[in-house]
Amino acid sequence: ILNVEQSPQSLHVQEGDSTNFTCSFPSSNFYALHWYRWETAKSPEALFVMTLNGDEKKKGRISATLNTKEGYSYLYIKGSQPEDSATYLCASSTGTASKLTFGTGTRLQVTL
Amino acid sequence: DTAVSQTPKYLVTQMGNDKSIKCEQNLGHDTMYWYKQDSKKFLKIMFSYNNKELIINETVPNRFSPKSPDKAHLNLHINSLELGDSAVYFCASSWFKFGNTIYFGEGSWLTVV
Repeated sequence: ILNVEQSPQSLHVQEGDSTNFTCSFPSSNFYALHWYRWETAKSPEALFVMTLNGDEKKKGRISATLNTKEGYSYLYIKGSQPEDSATYLCASSTGTASKLTFGTGTRLQVTL
Repeated sequence: DTAVSQTPKYLVTQMGNDKSIKCEQNLGHDTMYWYKQDSKKFLKIMFSYNNKELIINETVPNRFSPKSPDKAHLNLHINSLELGDSAVYFCASSWFKFGNTIYFGEGSWLTVV
């Protein structure tokens, strides 16, 4: 994998459903994997930064896992709520620590 | 207080003009960035400054010139604007050490007509 890829591109779930997205990234020269939540016309909001293989992070109903050997991360949302509707971006830093390469995001829409 | 603030939020200007977008962060970070959201919605890094020194300079036309008067400010000046420069530009800041969270501004929507 040369770029950061996210799937699915978009997702439509109902309130209460649990969901997950995938981020694939280059595993060579890996430094860190970032997840952001981005609402239109607002700043991307940092959710997690993970650096170690096997890392798991949790923030409320949202959690993420990291596999640096195979180059993927999963983001999970348990019991989705309408306020979870946003685009979820992942980004990896490789080689140069302060340079992030972003995926195009997964757009989540949660309806009642 | 907004952590990373950029102005203006919206800018409509004619081709050939010179314009600037200003960015300020009040987080005390030592590193600031400019990212551009391209037509395919990717956020791509343009420049990064650490302690007022340029450390990342991606393949960006030299019509784009960043200026960092101090650690808390990173301004983006664009000369001779072209239609293709229309995009959303995001300023961001962080501590330089790898694995640190990068904080973004709300973006500046530039439209060149």
